[in-house]
Parts: sequence; C-alpha cells; structure tokens
Amino acid sequence: GIQVEQSPPDLILQEGANSTLRCNFSDSVNNLQWFHQNPWGQLINLFYIPSGTKQNGRLSATTVATERYSLLYISSSQTTDSGVYFCAVDLGNFGNEKLTFGTGTRLTIIP
Amino acid sequence: GAVVSQHPSRVICKSGTSVKIECRSLDFQATTMFWYRQFPKQSLMLMATSNEGSKATYEQGVEKDKFLINHASLTLSTLTVTSAHPEDSSFYICSASRLLYEQYFGPGTRLTVT
Repeated sequence: GIQVEQSPPDLILQEGANSTLRCNFSDSVNNLQWFHQNPWGQLINLFYIPSGTKQNGRLSATTVATERYSLLYISSSQTTDSGVYFCAVDLGNFGNEKLTFGTGTRLTIIP
Repeated sequence: GAVVSQHPSRVICKSGTSVKIECRSLDFQATTMFWYRQFPKQSLMLMATSNEGSKATYEQGVEKDKFLINHASLTLSTLTVTSAHPEDSSFYICSASRLLYEQYFGPGTRLTVT
C-alpha cells in the first residue's frame, strides 16, 4: 500500500517562530488533506490540497503532486498551534475515498 | 457547517460487555462514513468504510464480528464493540464524507475496557 511519511516527527518552538512540516507519499494521489489534532483528540480540517498552494491566515500549504510531497507552513506560532499535524492521502480509485494517514508531526509551542 | 458528533466521548466498560458508539453528521447528509482507531502517540488506522444501507467494508485484519458497523441513515452510523477486552481499549474516531474526497471528523470516543 501507499506509504506516507511526515517529518520532523517532533518539533519544539518558541512562540512567534515559523515552521515547515513535510509530507512525502510513495504513489500518485487524488486527494491530500492536512489536519491538526488538538490535545483533546479532535481532528480539525486545515487544507484540502491535492495540488497547488493555499493560504488561510497564518497557515499555508503547498502540494507538488508530481514530486509526491506537500508542505505545511505555520508562521508566527501561538501556543494554541500545539498538537499533532497529520497529512492524509487518498489514491482516488473509483468509489474509494479511504484516507491513509501519515505518521504525524508533534508540534509543541513554548510561551 | 460540516459538523460531526460522536457519543459517548468517553466510556469505561467491563471485559466481556458490548459498547455502542454513535457517529452523526449534524448539518449534512453523509454518503459515506469511516471508522478509525488510534493508539496513544500513533497515527489513525482505518477500520472500516460504511455506506448508508449497505454492509460495511472492513480493512484487512479488522474482525467483522467484533466491530459491528451499522449505517442506518445518511446521518447516523454506529460502531459496536462486542465482547470487549482490554486490548480493545483505544481512541475511536469517525468521519463523514460530504463532498467527494473530503472528510470531516468527529471528536472521538475514548474506550477503556477493565
């Protein structure tokens, strides 16, 4: 099956710092989503980005489908950004919407 | 929009009993719902895909008779863990698909089997 690797696995930053999270996938995909899992376990949709670049406030994401990677940028980090960030991909087979999750990046923002 | 709820949020049960977890899409009709399992400090693993009115499709290695899934309507899916054992203790998360390829997730249910 498809492999989805994220890096770094852990990241500790001071409040106000910027960060880049990476997601590599081993096969062509039809869909890629970024999620933030907060400390209570809730997954929050950040981006649906099978290709191209999107921005939402302090967050932006870029997916280069031909090179099989996606990047999530967080600028001016706040303590509420802490949690685990997952990318998830879908191979896009007909009728198949299964998401395969990456290994995750645990982000800790220190005041 | 795109809100998914789960109930209960936390449950403790005794070994050998069954537990039912509900997943509801509150403001949209979900053609497909998914059930995931997450162990501490690990990623989410898909257990099964559920389409309204049809049998669920289980991932390899997931016991169909232990994890019963019912998708009775376009807004409700249930997961029943039958004859639960301590190794079934985990965080269970459902998601619902409104648009093709985009999923929205519930807040999760933490199951502890004693």
